Amino acid sequence: NAGVTQTPKFQVLKTGQSMTLQCAQDMNHNSMYWYRQDPGMGLRLIYYSASEGTTDKGEVPNGYNVSRLNKREFSLRLESAAPSQTSVYFCACDQGFTRPQHFGDGTRLSIL
Amino acid sequence: AQKITQTQPGMFVQEKEAVTLDCTYDTSDPSYGLFWYKQPSSGEMIFLIYQGSYDQQNATEGRYSLNFQKARKSANLVISASQLGDSAMYFCAMRPLMNSGGYQKVTFGTGTKLQVIP
Repeated sequence: NAGVTQTPKFQVLKTGQSMTLQCAQDMNHNSMYWYRQDPGMGLRLIYYSASEGTTDKGEVPNGYNVSRLNKREFSLRLESAAPSQTSVYFCACDQGFTRPQHFGDGTRLSIL
Repeated sequence: AQKITQTQPGMFVQEKEAVTLDCTYDTSDPSYGLFWYKQPSSGEMIFLIYQGSYDQQNATEGRYSLNFQKARKSANLVISASQLGDSAMYFCAMRPLMNSGGYQKVTFGTGTKLQVIP
């Protein structure tokens, strides 16, 4: 019962490096999301994908890009990492507005 | 615009006692859902309980219940018979339920850190 799987769990980058955070869900949910969590700020939406083939910006999209590869996979890319992107990143999915979001275990990303 | 306020950054409760975590919200949407999530120190986000604004009765899930007072715009989480494993961050969240054809944003509060004392 994997649910939502994120890789990697931890990553340290240097400023200016790029990387892709991977997310896959086996729940057959249409909608997928990327959030970042910073101390004292709750979760903020970076990008979301309402269904396969569509992506849209959330609250804090600057510096990120996403790809909805298929129904299962939704990746988040940092093209040129900045220290301000040091955060914990969560991928989530859901199936309808009244249904809870199911989260991955998170990726702790530090940018030096 | 939606807003969730959790005014208790941290709380302590004695093991086996009940505790209430406060959540107030602000929205102009006529129909919305309220969620509570638990985040243990290990970091994962765990869904606890859901309440629809149209629900007549307060939601309950095991030891968790949601004290929903629509007129006061509050959705407090009540944990009965606290256990050591309840020590965690707790987040309140809200989502409009009107399907306007677009995404309905989930707004999260800043969380309350609960510590259960033996």
